[in-house]
Amino acid sequence: SQTIHQWPATLVQPVGSPLSLECTVEGTSNPNLYWYRQAAGRGLQLLFYSVGIGQISSEVPQNLSASRPQDRQFILSSKKLLLSDSGFYLCACRNKVGQANTEAFFGQGTRLTVV
Amino acid sequence: DQQVKQNSPSLSVQEGRISILNCDYTNSMFDYFLWYKKYPAEGPTFLISISSIKDKNEDGRFTVFLNKSAKHLSLHIVPSQPGDSAVYFCAAITQGGSEKLVFGKGTKLTVNP
Repeated sequence: SQTIHQWPATLVQPVGSPLSLECTVEGTSNPNLYWYRQAAGRGLQLLFYSVGIGQISSEVPQNLSASRPQDRQFILSSKKLLLSDSGFYLCACRNKVGQANTEAFFGQGTRLTVV
Repeated sequence: DQQVKQNSPSLSVQEGRISILNCDYTNSMFDYFLWYKKYPAEGPTFLISISSIKDKNEDGRFTVFLNKSAKHLSLHIVPSQPGDSAVYFCAAITQGGSEKLVFGKGTKLTVNP
């Protein structure tokens, strides 16, 4: 099964600073990749997903962006963080239909606090 | 537009009894459904899934039921254990389509000893 590496585990950033969260995947190829955010006491909000290198679908208009420079690398970025960007960010990976193990696997998450 | 809905934010049951977690969806194109369990400050862990060609899938204490005509699925946990206390998320996807994996807002299950 896939292994998702996500770092850092916690991050405290000032308002207006840039952000880069990286997610890398092992154990599969050509997966679908996802970024979610869980705000305090809220559900899992889908932010971006990608079905292949360079292919990004955005779900929520905001000051975040995502990129997939390599097959198993997914990056979440911001040029200037807002207080409202605070939350728990999760990267997920899912094999495409027809492959084995089509449940989505999650990384351990990054707790981002914007101050 | 919330395509996957978990209308009960919380559920409390006694140890040994059945826990029933419900989920409704609006997109008839969804063809694969998953349940996840999540503890605070951790990533969700997969529990069980069901394809739209089935109406039931069972794995140990966990059973998922799918009613396509009602666009409704449920997760049954029997018997419930204190270690099952967590937030449970329902998710849905259209495979081979958009590949967008959408989650509900979760239900917090508390199993009392």
